[in-house]
Amino acid sequence: QSALTQPASVSGSPGQSITISCTGTSSDVGSYDLVSWYQQHPGKAPKLMIYEDNKRPSGVSNRFSGSKSGNTASLTISGLQAEDEADYYCCSYAGSGSFRVLFGGGTKLTVL
Amino acid sequence: QMQLQESGPGLVKPSETLSLTCTVSGGSISSSSYYWGWIRQPPGKGLEWIGSIYYSGITYYNPSLKSRVTISVDTSKNQFSLKLSSVTAADTAIYYCARRFGDYWYFDLWGRGTLVTVSS
Repeated sequence: QSALTQPASVSGSPGQSITISCTGTSSDVGSYDLVSWYQQHPGKAPKLMIYEDNKRPSGVSNRFSGSKSGNTASLTISGLQAEDEADYYCCSYAGSGSFRVLFGGGTKLTVL
Repeated sequence: QMQLQESGPGLVKPSETLSLTCTVSGGSISSSSYYWGWIRQPPGKGLEWIGSIYYSGITYYNPSLKSRVTISVDTSKNQFSLKLSSVTAADTAIYYCARRFGDYWYFDLWGRGTLVTVSS
């Protein structure tokens, strides 16, 4: 089973908003409300930013939001800040008879 | 505050078995709320889920690795472990242990990761 599909890179200027897409199939993203998003700075462990499609853990800025339509989930970051520059990974449950957990290939966010 | 810490050899020879341990501190591995997992990341590449375990010993593995992977738990030591057999250079990666919240399949706490290189 292939990884979820993300754009390799996105960029935006400080203060702008950007959206990162994550495309799966009807067997994973489209079947469960279990998409999560992770932020990873260089040399650091991933950090949970969104879970269950659109929920934010305590302590994560409300500038980060998640949504989903069909087989595609999205992460939107509003009011871009320099500290948001990082790699972002989506992740989805893929069912008990399958790979169970799929990650996207990752998206490099550059803040111009 | 719960923390996770990976430990184990940083260099493994091809065809041998990679062995890592994750020590859980600041809380109990026997909590009914969590599963415990391993995720790896080859240098410069993306994340790959390896598998997860519940404190009772129930395991879930990535089918692509299942034939070579064993994850076990030692509740007396508050640790869980990963064994990956017959390694090749393709298994060179940063290995993370992580906490998974219940049946919701997201990882809310990660260790710092440990680089394992497969080389003779």
